[in-house]
Amino acid sequence: GDSVTQMEGPVTLSEEAFLTINCTYTATGYPSLFWYVQYPGEGLQLLLKATKADDKGSNKGFEATYRKETTSFHLEKGSVQVSDSAVYFCALSLQGAQKLVFGQGTRLTINP
Amino acid sequence: DTEVTQTPKHLVMGMTNKKSLKCEQHMGHRAMYWYKQKAKKPPELMFVYSYEKLSINESVPSRFSPECPNSSLLNLHLHALQPEDSALYLCASSQEGRRATNEKLFFGSGTQLSVL
Repeated sequence: GDSVTQMEGPVTLSEEAFLTINCTYTATGYPSLFWYVQYPGEGLQLLLKATKADDKGSNKGFEATYRKETTSFHLEKGSVQVSDSAVYFCALSLQGAQKLVFGQGTRLTINP
Repeated sequence: DTEVTQTPKHLVMGMTNKKSLKCEQHMGHRAMYWYKQKAKKPPELMFVYSYEKLSINESVPSRFSPECPNSSLLNLHLHALQPEDSALYLCASSQEGRRATNEKLFFGSGTQLSVL
């Protein structure tokens, strides 16, 4: 079945460090790909998305590129801030929002 | 207004109690969802309502009973829960909830439920 695999956390970085969170997927068709973020005590919110191969999603300094050849959608940010501390979920959708498939989540902590 | 509002934020209940979780959105979305999230895990889909009709029930035990009184409101009625049902319950909405693969979900902040 369709699935998403994220790098295991937790990930701890210092402020201004470069961030990569790996995400790979398995899907029978051509999914849309998403990164959702969950800040402490809150629900999830969409960070960015890409709907076809080679698309780049970007928001708040975060970027991810849809790589069909490697079935990947890695999340990157050039200089992280303390306020980026959260749990990040990679997700795919092949059948609409009703069938969103989440990865296990990666907890990110940024130290000042 | 791009918010999904959930009440209450916290709920403690005994195994014999009956309680309800409430969710509201005013974005004109026609699909609404209940998810259950255990600590350090991704959300798990429980129910989907599309155009006020139940379209997905992910084999959830009958002690959880969803209700969609209108297109803006979604309730989750709880009865005779078990301690393992303690979790964060998230409500979400989306524009159509159909097969558009790029449709995004809007989540509420959740109700943290503890069953004693």
